[in-house]
Amino acid sequence: DTEVTQTPKHLVMGMTNKKSLKCEQHMGHRAMYWYKQKAKKPPELMFVYSYEKLSINESVPSRFSPECPNSSLLNLHLHALQPEDSALYLCASSQEEGSYEQYFGPGTRLTVT
Amino acid sequence: AQSVAQPEDQVNVAEGNPLTVKCTYSVSGNPYLFWYVQYPNRGLQFLLKYITGDNLVKGSYGFEAEFNKSQTSFHLKKPSALVSDSALYFCAVRDPQDRGSTLGRLYFGRGTQLTVWP
Repeated sequence: DTEVTQTPKHLVMGMTNKKSLKCEQHMGHRAMYWYKQKAKKPPELMFVYSYEKLSINESVPSRFSPECPNSSLLNLHLHALQPEDSALYLCASSQEEGSYEQYFGPGTRLTVT
Repeated sequence: AQSVAQPEDQVNVAEGNPLTVKCTYSVSGNPYLFWYVQYPNRGLQFLLKYITGDNLVKGSYGFEAEFNKSQTSFHLKKPSALVSDSALYFCAVRDPQDRGSTLGRLYFGRGTQLTVWP
């Protein structure tokens, strides 16, 4: 199984809402990533978790809060977002943080109104 | 500093013709190089990688790429393009000497939109 799953596929939220994005992999990978991608642009790294510990936070605003409850799950909690946060949010995983390729999920299309 | 350049925003090719999507890189050490493809409203799919060894790397869907150290390039190629190859292609690099890279950071090019017309 080389699949990374993400839920929901689409999310529309107001600026005062609280919501969460979920990512799951069952490949035994120990590194997991959150990316933000705007249309026709490369993905921008937000967070890296390695062995369930946060190893990179790319100076992401605190309205984005990651969580790694176990080695298979990665969440991104959203609160008080701005319209400019509307984007495709991608989760990825790799065997370890220093490993080679990353495997990406299909993404969550987020719209902030 | 690490960087990746994809000099063409758009590449157009007729079905059945060979295709090339260009990528050049700049790293301080020996690079780990990757190609990813993204179809509309989908995540990125891994195509191939170069870590070490043979400079010609073969990947998924008939794609290959050639690592050229002297030209610091890693161009993606396919001998005969298909309409279904139309997508956004990203080149990415990891520098083993860069701490960010060892922690998982990939440096992406800006992407090249490939259109294959029938």
